[in-house]
Amino acid sequence: GQQVMQIPQYQHVQEGEDFTTYCNSSTTLSNIQWYKQRPGGHPVFLIQLVKSGEVKKQKRLTFQFGEAKKNSSLHITATQTTDVGTYFCAGGAQKLVFGQGTRLTINP
Amino acid sequence: KAGVTQTPRYLIKTRGQQVTLSCSPISGHRSVSWYQQTPGQGLQFLFEYFSETQRNKGNFPGRFSGRQFSNSRSEMNVSTLELGDSALYLCASSSTSGRATDTQYFGPGTRLTVL
Repeated sequence: GQQVMQIPQYQHVQEGEDFTTYCNSSTTLSNIQWYKQRPGGHPVFLIQLVKSGEVKKQKRLTFQFGEAKKNSSLHITATQTTDVGTYFCAGGAQKLVFGQGTRLTINP
Repeated sequence: KAGVTQTPRYLIKTRGQQVTLSCSPISGHRSVSWYQQTPGQGLQFLFEYFSETQRNKGNFPGRFSGRQFSNSRSEMNVSTLELGDSALYLCASSSTSGRATDTQYFGPGTRLTVL
């Protein structure tokens, strides 16, 4: 079945460093969505990308959708302790499939 | 608008018992999906209901079942509980059914512990 692979599984950074998580699919995606789950919380929708090559920014977060619509990335510039959590990508052709998530921890 | 609500928030059961979890979607949302989240497995899709019909199903044994009522509220049942069923069970609602472009709005989850 359709799979969405996400790497890395874990990432530990010093506060102020940048962070990037990548999402890959073997099939073309109609869209890619990103969610954030804080420790002890539930996933919360961040953004959706639909167009090939699309780039969207939310303050220090930059989201990209690949030209072939098979991959995506989330980049956080100058991480802060509030960025701690697990970031999930989700995409699909017919139905939404979640990646395994990247757990981000930050050393203050 | 009130968010997705799930009850109970925490549950402790013993092996062999059965459990029923409840989810109330955002008002106006007709699609409810259920996910199992464990530390090593991420978010595993269980099933999706839309207008009282199961539209999609994940790769879980028949011990996991669900239903949706006419008011869009959904219940999930797990029979003959096993230790491995210990997990956070998340419910998510969306306004339409089964489309990959639908945004999922998650509830706080039910933390199930099986002893």
